[in-house]
Order: sequence, then structure tokens, then C-alpha cells
Amino acid sequence: GQNIDQPTEMTATEGAIVQINCTYQTSGFNGLFWYQQHAGEAPTFLSYNVLDGLEEKGRFSSFLSRSKGYSYLLLKELQMKDSASYLCAVTDSNYQLIWGAGTKLIIKP
Amino acid sequence: SQTIHQWPATLVQPVGSPLSLECTVEGTSNPNLYWYRQAAGRGLQLLFYSVGIGQISSEVPQNLSASRPQDRQFILSSKKLLLSDSGFYLCAWSPQDRGAAEAFFGQGTRLTVV
Repeated sequence: GQNIDQPTEMTATEGAIVQINCTYQTSGFNGLFWYQQHAGEAPTFLSYNVLDGLEEKGRFSSFLSRSKGYSYLLLKELQMKDSASYLCAVTDSNYQLIWGAGTKLIIKP
Repeated sequence: SQTIHQWPATLVQPVGSPLSLECTVEGTSNPNLYWYRQAAGRGLQLLFYSVGIGQISSEVPQNLSASRPQDRQFILSSKKLLLSDSGFYLCAWSPQDRGAAEAFFGQGTRLTVV
């Protein structure tokens, strides 16, 4: 079966750095997405990785290792507005998005 | 630019009543369209997806159905709602000419079946 695992919840301090991990087992791989979802709102796109390595976009970075079936989202200089759920999603061989359950990130002052 | 509209934002319906949620996309042609459901504290569950008018694929057997009467219109329906149908419903689109493309989401509909 297809499976995406990420921690249910994480807590971090304002101004710090946090890394959210995602491991996946899917039938084929055509890319990995990270989305941010604030409570009661729709997910919004953060990043896309299809090749191994690190993609940096401002305070957010995303890393992919296809051989390990592993990705992480790195958030630097945390702000209170970063409190949200972070969803990992993988596009399989049929170009269908398979979603993780999301990681709820709690930022404390 | 492309936009996606989904309505209503919130809905409270009694058990056994019908449901119709509508989603429209502007600014693009022939998009892939999706209906997702998200239970509280859970990930996104794909309900239906469509690659063209009248072409609907169902991922999860249930008492819901979907239709695509026009290229940029996607409708989620039920004849009789169950309590278990409560949740956050999201419509999304992705470009069809790009195999692995990000999904763009509507605002979502919070459905409570009472």
C-alpha cells in the first residue's frame, strides 16, 4: 500500500529552527510537496522537490532523498504566524497526490 | 490568473437531507479537478477526481457522488447525508498539461451533519 508518515505534533519556540520530517512509501514517485494549512483554512503550497537535495525559499527549506524515501521541511526564525499544520504529499506513478496526515506545529513565545 | 471558488463556506444539514457543493475554476482550461475531505486532525482523503467533462473517478466507496457538467465546474452531491459525512470538504484543481503539478485549493466547506 501507499503510506506517508510524519509526526502528529511538534512544539518549537519563537525565533528558533524546527525540522519536520516525512517518510514515504508509494508506487512510483513524481515529486514531493509541502503545504501549510492554518486551522479552518485550505492548504497553501510551500515547496516542491523532485530531485535530491535542498530547495531554499526564504525562511523555509525543503530537502529530498529519493533513495531513502525521505524529506524534511526546515523552518527558520520561527514566527507565531507559523503555527499551522504542515502537510507532506507525494505524487505517485499515476500522478495522483498521496497525502500525509499533517504535522501540527505549535509555536510558543 | 487562475482562481477557484467553492461554496458555501459553512453548512449545517440534518441527517437524511441532500447535499450539493459547487466548485468553479477561472482562468484555465481543462484542469484536473478534485474533491477532498478532511476529518478533524486528519490528512486529506481524496474522494473524487476528474480529468475532463463527464469523467469522474471515485477513490472511496460512500454515499457521495460527483459530477462535472462543464469544463471548470465540479459538484459534490449526496441524496441522503449521514452523520459520518461531517467534515471539511476541499475542492482543488491542477493543470492537466503538467504531470506532477501542485494542487490549488478552494476555501473549503465546513459541513456539519446533525
